[in-house]
Amino acid sequence: GIQVEQSPPDLILQEGANSTLRCNFSDSVNNLQWFHQNPWGQLINLFYIPSGTKQNGRLSATTVATERYSLLYISSSQTTDSGVYFCAVVNGNKLVFGAGTILRVKS
Amino acid sequence: GEEVAQTPKHLVRGEGQKAKLYCAPIKGHSYVFWYQQVLKNEFKFLISFQNENVFDETGMPKERFSAKCLPNSPCSLEIQATKLEDSAVYFCASSPQTGGTGNTIYFGEGSWLTVV
Repeated sequence: GIQVEQSPPDLILQEGANSTLRCNFSDSVNNLQWFHQNPWGQLINLFYIPSGTKQNGRLSATTVATERYSLLYISSSQTTDSGVYFCAVVNGNKLVFGAGTILRVKS
Repeated sequence: GEEVAQTPKHLVRGEGQKAKLYCAPIKGHSYVFWYQQVLKNEFKFLISFQNENVFDETGMPKERFSAKCLPNSPCSLEIQATKLEDSAVYFCASSPQTGGTGNTIYFGEGSWLTVV
């Protein structure tokens, strides 16, 4: 089946710093989503982005489907950004998740 | 409703007992998915439904796990004779029409099962 690899596996930022999270996938996909799982376990939809670029406040994402990767940009990070960021792709008819990037933002 | 609603939020069961989790998908969504997350990593796909029909059950440990989506009722995931390794958060998700292809998949808040 499709492989989804996320990097880095974990990241510590000082509040206010910017970061880029990466998601590589091994096959063509027809759906890609980024999620934030907060420290309380809630899984929050960030972006549905099978291709192109989207922005939502301090977050933006770019997917280059032909090269099989997606990037999530976090600018001016805040402590509330802490948690785990998951990339997930649909190959066939179900979402396949990467292992996540654990982000900790220090004040 | 406008969100995927899962109940209960927390469930504690003794080893060998039965556990049953419920999920109400977003109104109008035809596809429902169940995922298991152990230790806040690794989402494991269990099963998906298209309306009340099983769409993909390749992830289900069939000997103890079962799931249903009946008309006019919440979907359910049942674990017979729970084991310690079943302790996890069980997420339900739904999407309109095409099983995730070309559509956002929305997740509920999860049901935390602890087997003691």
